[in-house]
Amino acid sequence: SQQGEEDPQALSIQEGENATMNCSYKTSINNLQWYRQNSGRGLVHLILIRSNEREKHSGRLRVTLDTSKKSSSLLITASRAADTASYFCAPGGGNTPLVFGKGTRLSVIA
Amino acid sequence: DAGVTQSPTHLIKTRGQQVTLRCSPKSGHDTVSWYQQALGQGPQFIFQYYEEEERQRGNFPDRFSGHQFPNYSSELNVNALLLGDSALYLCASSPTGTNSPLHFGNGTRLTVT
Repeated sequence: SQQGEEDPQALSIQEGENATMNCSYKTSINNLQWYRQNSGRGLVHLILIRSNEREKHSGRLRVTLDTSKKSSSLLITASRAADTASYFCAPGGGNTPLVFGKGTRLSVIA
Repeated sequence: DAGVTQSPTHLIKTRGQQVTLRCSPKSGHDTVSWYQQALGQGPQFIFQYYEEEERQRGNFPDRFSGHQFPNYSSELNVNALLLGDSALYLCASSPTGTNSPLHFGNGTRLTVT
């Protein structure tokens, strides 16, 4: 298993602004997943991008994947206070379980 | 359709005691994974169960053990509790298949005093 490393560790923005967080990993993957965790709750799956995809959208979320740089980014457009949470990336490949890094803590200020 | 349910939601134990946490997976899911999340950290993989067997294990001591039942529900047992075992324990289920998205329960908050 490999763990993604999210950057920045913390991000604070105003409501309505866009939030971008990044994920780097070390070895080749089959896919990469992003999860959100509200304080004290379980993780919620947001989006899965496969290694042959470069960009994927879901509502206000846009995920990019650059396999040559071994990195991914998650963009949340027009952020809302309800987007305040921790965000985790999880590189996936082979028959190994998903592992998580420390995440990015996003604070959206109303 | 119920998602992943965990019980209890909160638990307080004394150092040296034993604890059992329970998880019911989402309907249609047969694989259960357990994670430990300390305050301010990301979830750490403990182990994964499929077909009633432990298939994968993270870097956790033998004090951590588990079980999966024929109905796919699962238990996590921790013996000889240490103060450092205080954490949020998350159960996640998924259908069979490599790197399928995980569905998480809301966890059991364990406090060891």
